[in-house]
Amino acid sequence: EAQVTQNPRYLITVTGKKLTVTCSQNMNHEYMSWYRQDPGLGLRQIYYSMNVEVTDKGDVPEGYKVSRKEKRNFPLILESPSPNQTSLYFCASSPSPFDRAGEYGYTFGSGTRLTVV
Amino acid sequence: KQEVTQIPAALSVPEGENLVLNCSFTDSAIYNLQWFRQDPGKGLTSLLLIQSSQREQTSGRLNASLDKSSGRSTLYIAASQPGDSATYLCARGFQKLVFGTGTRLLVSP
Repeated sequence: EAQVTQNPRYLITVTGKKLTVTCSQNMNHEYMSWYRQDPGLGLRQIYYSMNVEVTDKGDVPEGYKVSRKEKRNFPLILESPSPNQTSLYFCASSPSPFDRAGEYGYTFGSGTRLTVV
Repeated sequence: KQEVTQIPAALSVPEGENLVLNCSFTDSAIYNLQWFRQDPGKGLTSLLLIQSSQREQTSGRLNASLDKSSGRSTLYIAASQPGDSATYLCARGFQKLVFGTGTRLLVSP
């Protein structure tokens, strides 16, 4: 089944303790992205990747890191989490970053609910 | 900066009613538009993707239209069912999807 898999689904952690949220897709998609969703603010992009070793900042990249060493994986790293990073996080993928004609849409993971205390 | 607005923020209808959800955007550049559904505590499910060169797409009881000149998209749901209750999000763009804040739909039996 074609899917984007995020782990963990739920995570409670303490301020300052480094964590990684994993994202993996099995569709050979070139483009992957991370979003956070907060009440009243909607979904906002954190980082995106156009291909292996190619990443760029979205709207809210502060406090986050990403890496794209393999096509299928795009982990989100919080080196020193803070309570304002408590949120619902989504990973998404799409076939081609240059598909401006919009032939393909996005596939989203099921989300990771992170609480930082 | 691209902005996407969805009206209404919430909608409650009885089962069987036809309804329209609205999405407006500020950037008329050539991008596609995608409609998603989100169930409470869950991820996003893609419903319809309208290519920049298209005016509408249909899937079952759903029909979405795109009017770039007016900066609007509508999602039409025919013969609504309680199972349609969810939050509906529209999103515009490509490398960076810009989302609306959603319309929370409740369909009562």
